[in-house]
Amino acid sequence: GDSVTQTEGPVTLSEGTSLTVNCSYETKQYPTLFWYVQYPGEGPQLLFKVPKANEKGSSRGFEATYNKEATSFHLQKASVQESDSAVYYCALSDTRTNAYKVIFGKGTHLHVLP
Amino acid sequence: EAAVTQSPRNKVAVTGGKVTLSCNQTNNHNNMYWYRQDTGHGLRLIHYSYGAGSTEKGDIPDGYKASRPSQENFSLILELATPSQTSVYFCASGDADWGTSQNTLYFGAGTRLSVL
Repeated sequence: GDSVTQTEGPVTLSEGTSLTVNCSYETKQYPTLFWYVQYPGEGPQLLFKVPKANEKGSSRGFEATYNKEATSFHLQKASVQESDSAVYYCALSDTRTNAYKVIFGKGTHLHVLP
Repeated sequence: EAAVTQSPRNKVAVTGGKVTLSCNQTNNHNNMYWYRQDTGHGLRLIHYSYGAGSTEKGDIPDGYKASRPSQENFSLILELATPSQTSVYFCASGDADWGTSQNTLYFGAGTRLSVL
């Protein structure tokens, strides 16, 4: 079945350093890939999504490229800020195989130190 | 204003008691979901619904029931609560688009449930 595997946390960085959170997926179809972010005390919210292979998504300085050949969707940011401290979830959906299911990774907890 | 609202935000229950978690959405989405979030497991799907009157089992449905009486409302019911069901529960609505693979979820703020 479909699955998503991402960097296990927690990840602790100093402000101004770069971030990479690895995400790999397994599916037999052509999914849309997502990154969600969850701030303390809130529910997850969409960071951005990419529906097509070989395209890039971005938001708030974060970006990821849908790499179909490598089945990867790594999240990157050049310079993190303390306000980026949150849990990040990689996810996929494929309504052509299952109209309703969204598969999430286990989440990566990011701590950014001032 | 919040489009997915959960109530209560916090709940303490006794083992063997009945617990009902409520969710209301104003997104007019057909699909609604219940997840639980636990350290080391991330988000796990309990039940989902693709419209009023429908409920479907997710990946971990044992011990839970769901009810979707209307487009806007989706409840999660624990008939006999156990300590293993202590967790944070999230409701979400989804804008699944037939013909594409896109299904973006919109989450509520969560309900923290403790079963003693």
